[in-house]
Amino acid sequence: QKEVEQNSGPLSVPEGAIASLNCTYSDRGSQSFFWYRQYSGKSPELIMFIYSNGDKEDGRFTAQLNKASQYVSLLIRDSQPSDSATYLCAVKTSYDKVIFGPGTSLSVIP
Amino acid sequence: DAGVIQSPRHEVTEMGQEVTLRCKPISGHDYLFWYRQTMMRGLELLIYFNNNVPIDDSGMPEDRFSAKMPNASFSTLKIQPSEPRDSAVYFCASSFPSLGASGGDYNEQFFGPGTRLTVL
Repeated sequence: QKEVEQNSGPLSVPEGAIASLNCTYSDRGSQSFFWYRQYSGKSPELIMFIYSNGDKEDGRFTAQLNKASQYVSLLIRDSQPSDSATYLCAVKTSYDKVIFGPGTSLSVIP
Repeated sequence: DAGVIQSPRHEVTEMGQEVTLRCKPISGHDYLFWYRQTMMRGLELLIYFNNNVPIDDSGMPEDRFSAKMPNASFSTLKIQPSEPRDSAVYFCASSFPSLGASGGDYNEQFFGPGTRLTVL
């Protein structure tokens, strides 16, 4: 079992719809969770982080964390073509190491 | 703030040659990370430093890879000898510890633009 798993996609959603990206992790003691966005040919950039169970909202983005089920998700409301990118889930494990998932490719169709 | 600086941006070399990648972290950041990204394996952590000291090099694939951080503003990743399977994008990232967190914690990593390495 990989430490951090994501659906590779591609995930296609129409413009204006909600995009839902999911991530599961294996280390139950993981503490911090991050979502990075990576445009093609560019470097990853942080868009959200979450530490506590529940939801965290920032503009059109909502991160959801459920430690009991060991999953974290990212919702993008009112998706825009500019949101088309690969989204990387990163988990800081109990042994103080950040592990990145393989990424989910999102395509927002105008 | 210029962000994390990496050089060169592109490197094409022949198998067996030595390759040196360079990174200048953001001033004031005391964590520095080296990653490798490929389509097959995704983003892999190779090694990271805290206050210029290597903390975890378990991701370094083999003895051909070495990394140094002689001071707070400079790090190198060296591959000697290089092989075609080393072809990838190599990212350097830096971060600072979060306030109020337990010792050794770190938060947002700021990535450099990457070095695209091609070994023929």
